[in-house]
Amino acid sequence: DVKVTQSSRYLVKRTGEKVFLECVQDMDHENMFWYRQDPGLGLRLIYFSYDVKMKEKGDIPEGYSVSREKKERFSLILESASTNQTSMYLCASNPDRDPYEQYFGPGTRLTVT
Amino acid sequence: DAKTTQPPSMDCAEGRAANLPCNHSTISGNEYVYWYRQIHSQGPQYIIHGLKNNETNEMASLIITEDRKSSTLILPHATLRDTAVYYCIVRVPAGTASKLTFGTGTRLQVTL
Repeated sequence: DVKVTQSSRYLVKRTGEKVFLECVQDMDHENMFWYRQDPGLGLRLIYFSYDVKMKEKGDIPEGYSVSREKKERFSLILESASTNQTSMYLCASNPDRDPYEQYFGPGTRLTVT
Repeated sequence: DAKTTQPPSMDCAEGRAANLPCNHSTISGNEYVYWYRQIHSQGPQYIIHGLKNNETNEMASLIITEDRKSSTLILPHATLRDTAVYYCIVRVPAGTASKLTFGTGTRLQVTL
């Protein structure tokens, strides 16, 4: 089974802190994604990556950056956390050979106080 | 990507078929219909996808109308574990990375 894991299920940070959210997939997938999910807004794409060291902005990249130094790992970075970044963050991956299905991690619920 | 419209919520009795509708009247010829679901406190899970023919897998069936402007996801024998938010997405599958745009979906409540 494909497994996408995220470093934390719940995280509480203070305004202004630098926050790292880690995502690891074990199926050698080329593509990885970071979404955030908020009530009434559905899932919104923050960034995605189609290869090591490659990244593309999604719909709402402001206030975020990403890093993909290894194929299996995709990190989301909040340089200076703000309260409006309190959200559920979801990581996903899929292989080039099968563009139909994305595999999601369990999510990290981040609260910024 | 084509816009989709789904009812915000539905109820279904356990053991009965759950039929979840989706309208996508602006779908273009090369766009597929995908369904995902999200059980509370979990990440979304892929269910099924199709282009124009009806599709069935171990989880569900997908019925797409002949004009492709709407579709129905059918869970043949709903159980309590099928309680979730169901998302209908219409998009062109890309060879490389391509985002999924989730709307607000249909919240299905399966009851005893």
